[in-house]
Amino acid sequence: DSGVTQTPKHLITATGQRVTLRCSPRSGDLSVYWYQQSLDQGLQFLIQYYNGEERAKGNILERFSAQQFPDLHSELNLSSLELGDSALYFCASSVVPQHDGYTFGSGTRLTVV
Amino acid sequence: LAKTTQPISMDSYEGQEVNITCSHNNIATNDYITWYQQFPSQGPRFIIQGYKTKVTNEVASLFIPADRKSSTLSLPRVSLSDTAVYYCLVVASGGSYIPTFGRGTSLIVHP
Repeated sequence: DSGVTQTPKHLITATGQRVTLRCSPRSGDLSVYWYQQSLDQGLQFLIQYYNGEERAKGNILERFSAQQFPDLHSELNLSSLELGDSALYFCASSVVPQHDGYTFGSGTRLTVV
Repeated sequence: LAKTTQPISMDSYEGQEVNITCSHNNIATNDYITWYQQFPSQGPRFIIQGYKTKVTNEVASLFIPADRKSSTLSLPRVSLSDTAVYYCLVVASGGSYIPTFGRGTSLIVHP
């Protein structure tokens, strides 16, 4: 157990639907990162939050959004889902956005049918 | 941001030492070199990090030459369970940094 908790572990939904992925960072970590991993794209950075505020954005689609709550957990919202959104979504956390090791969760596998 | 280059895949056998080299020609003075390991359907796991010379922990060793333009991750006496993808990252100390993963090196350990 890495200390980063992601729920649900698996999610199957239909095209056009909306889903919410949840991440609880490791205790004491203020920074949360979301990544998408598909077979043909590798690990792609989506977005980062630090202590409730958005810090950096990667190649995140406009259909996707995220937030970090006062208790530091984060949610990634994916809407108008397409078949190509099927992927593993990982959350990682770190104490501060520096070079310390980042701790990843076990991911949420999203399948869009 | 320093770009990294590493082999796409490697094969080894149980009990052998595996060395995976990563090239990072434009590494900056305050950058560190970090390696992660990822098993199928799991999140990447931090293995080791170093700045120069040699770093060793219970899992691996990291060798960084004086010019720091490359680094080598050394896995002693690999087992089947070391079959995974290994990522080399160059990370900046201080400030905001996003760990950017390339395609990594897929290591397959054979019996």
